[in-house]
Amino acid sequence: GQQLNQSPQSMFIQEGEDVSMNCTSSSIFNTWLWYKQEPGEGPVLLIALYKAGELTSNGRLTAQFGITRKDSFLNISASIPSDVGIYFCAGQLRRNTGKLIFGQGTTLQVKP
Amino acid sequence: DAGVIQSPRHEVTEMGQEVTLRCKPISGHDYLFWYRQTMMRGLELLIYFNNNVPIDDSGMPEDRFSAKMPNASFSTLKIQPSEPRDSAVYFCASSYDVGQPQHFGDGTRLSIL
Repeated sequence: GQQLNQSPQSMFIQEGEDVSMNCTSSSIFNTWLWYKQEPGEGPVLLIALYKAGELTSNGRLTAQFGITRKDSFLNISASIPSDVGIYFCAGQLRRNTGKLIFGQGTTLQVKP
Repeated sequence: DAGVIQSPRHEVTEMGQEVTLRCKPISGHDYLFWYRQTMMRGLELLIYFNNNVPIDDSGMPEDRFSAKMPNASFSTLKIQPSEPRDSAVYFCASSYDVGQPQHFGDGTRLSIL
């Protein structure tokens, strides 16, 4: 079946550093979503992307929908301790179905 | 506005018992999704509904799993009989439309002994 390859699997960084993570696939997606999950909670939507090439920001977070529609990246600038969590990409193959395919997640740890 | 509400938050039961997980979607959302999250397989879609009608249940692992949505504000996921390998966190999510982002509840952590 379709798969999303998310990397890196984990990151341990110093507070203030910038972070970059990405998702790639062999399939073309119509929508890319980025979620953050903290312990004991459900994934929370960070950014939604709907068009190839789209670049969207949400505070210190910036995400882009790749031109080929097969990839997306998420950047976090000037990381802070509360950025700790697991970040998931999710792609929707066709907009007329509700099926999302999730990446395996990037675990981010920030050292104060 | 209230988000997606799931209950119970935690469930511990012995294998062979029936388990029922509950979900209340965000009001006005026409789509409801059930996911399972494990370390090995990540987040997997089990089934989703549109206007209370099941659309795709291809992710339901076995006949032991069933889901219903009797009305727009309530859905259940039932496992009968439960097995230890069903232990996971089960999430419910809802969205306004098929092309709109899904919003997740805080999940039910299920442990089958």
